[in-house]
Amino acid sequence: KNEVEQSPQNLTAQEGEFITINCSYSVGISALHWLQQHPGGGIVSLFMLSSGKKKHGRLIATINIQEKHSSLHITASHPRDSAVYICAAVEYGNKLVFGAGTILRVKS
Amino acid sequence: DAGVIQSPRHEVTEMGQEVTLRCKPISGHNSLFWYRQTMMRGLELLIYFNNNVPIDDSGMPEDRFSAKMPNASFSTLKIQPSEPRDSAVYFCASSEQAYQPQHFGDGTRLSIL
Repeated sequence: KNEVEQSPQNLTAQEGEFITINCSYSVGISALHWLQQHPGGGIVSLFMLSSGKKKHGRLIATINIQEKHSSLHITASHPRDSAVYICAAVEYGNKLVFGAGTILRVKS
Repeated sequence: DAGVIQSPRHEVTEMGQEVTLRCKPISGHNSLFWYRQTMMRGLELLIYFNNNVPIDDSGMPEDRFSAKMPNASFSTLKIQPSEPRDSAVYFCASSEQAYQPQHFGDGTRLSIL
C-alpha cells in the first residue's frame, strides 16, 4: 500500500464545475504539499499546510490531521486548470512522499 | 527572482556516458532537493541538502548516482555510468528553510540510449 493515496486518478469536468481531489496518507507528517504540474512539465507548489484550511483564488486546500486526509477544491473550474495535481506528505526530516497524482481535464 | 535554474533542459546521451545535471537554487534558500520523475514510479526524492550538507540520500538508487553541493548557490547530480533505465525527468527544488514551501526548477529531461 502506498504511503500517500490520491483519488480519483483521472477526472474530467465541465467548465464551471466544483472539483474535489482527495489525498490520504499513512505516514506521520509535519505538513502536506499540493503541487500542480502542467503538460509542459513544470511543477508549482500550490499550498503547504499543516492544519485547517488555506485559500488562494479559486483554490482551497483543507487538511484533517487526525483523519490523515486532505482535499484540494477548485471552484468555478476552467480549462486552464487542466493539469496533474499531486499531493506530497512532508515527513519529519523534510522528506517528501508523493501521491501518484490526479489528472484533471476541464472541458469548455 | 529568477527561480530555481536547472541545466541542461534536455540531455540525450549513450549508455555508459557520464551525465552531470546542474542546479542553482533561489538565493537565500538553505534547503535543496533532487527529485526524479518517471511514468512508472512518479516523483521520488533522491537526496536533499540543508546548508550544503547532505541530510538524506536514501533515495539515491545506487552508487552510480552522486550529488554534491559545494556552495550555497550550486549543486550537481552525476550519473556514472549512465544506463537506459536512468531516463527520466530530474527536478531540483529549493526552500528557504526546512519545512517551508519548495520551489521547483523546470527539470532536466534525460534520455539514455
